[in-house]
Amino acid sequence: TQLLEQSPQFLSIQEGENLTVYCNSSSVFSSLQWYRQEPGEGPVLLVTVVTGGEVKKLKRLTFQFGDARKDSSLHITAAQPGDTGLYLCAGARSSARQLTFGSGTQLTVLP
Amino acid sequence: GAVVSQHPSWVICKSGTSVKIECRSLDFQATTMFWYRQFPKQSLMLMATSNEGSKATYEQGVEKDKFLINHASLTLSTLTVTSAHPEDSSFYICSARTPFRDYGYTFGSGTRLTVV
Repeated sequence: TQLLEQSPQFLSIQEGENLTVYCNSSSVFSSLQWYRQEPGEGPVLLVTVVTGGEVKKLKRLTFQFGDARKDSSLHITAAQPGDTGLYLCAGARSSARQLTFGSGTQLTVLP
Repeated sequence: GAVVSQHPSWVICKSGTSVKIECRSLDFQATTMFWYRQFPKQSLMLMATSNEGSKATYEQGVEKDKFLINHASLTLSTLTVTSAHPEDSSFYICSARTPFRDYGYTFGSGTRLTVV
């Protein structure tokens, strides 16, 4: 059983559309990260959220951490083909140093 | 800053042989590194936590004798897949917690292992 569930698992959209990816858990995390991974490469950190209710923006990407620090969302505005990739959320608990990864969302943006 | 170099990027080996994968932190010291395994179109599964100067901590279900981890210095951790079998074929990724970005981790570029 995945500790962090992401939805949707797969998403294929047209260029210019908006989308939201969700990351949900029954556990509380001290911080949550979002990563993007391209085929044959390691994940690249996009953002870290720490405070419940926190919202961070990175150009067309908006990240939100739930008030209870159990869930997070990633919203992409006007998606572009370059946004294509595997998006992973990952949570860290204060008592552990390792990350727990979500199940992943494979995004394909068609031109 | 905070670069993790992983080598090799891909390797093909015969069943029964051993393969060593290296993970280096280039511009920072990493007392702890993490090794993950990833199957196609799936998420990363933590295999073990590598601790400099001490034994690695393995996740449940990961065979210690098969996946040997050595973290002899503050900048190098190695994963050796011993007596490789085709089912060991996978994408292996290492990471280290970076001191330069709050709470973030830097990942290596991964190693594609194919056992034939």
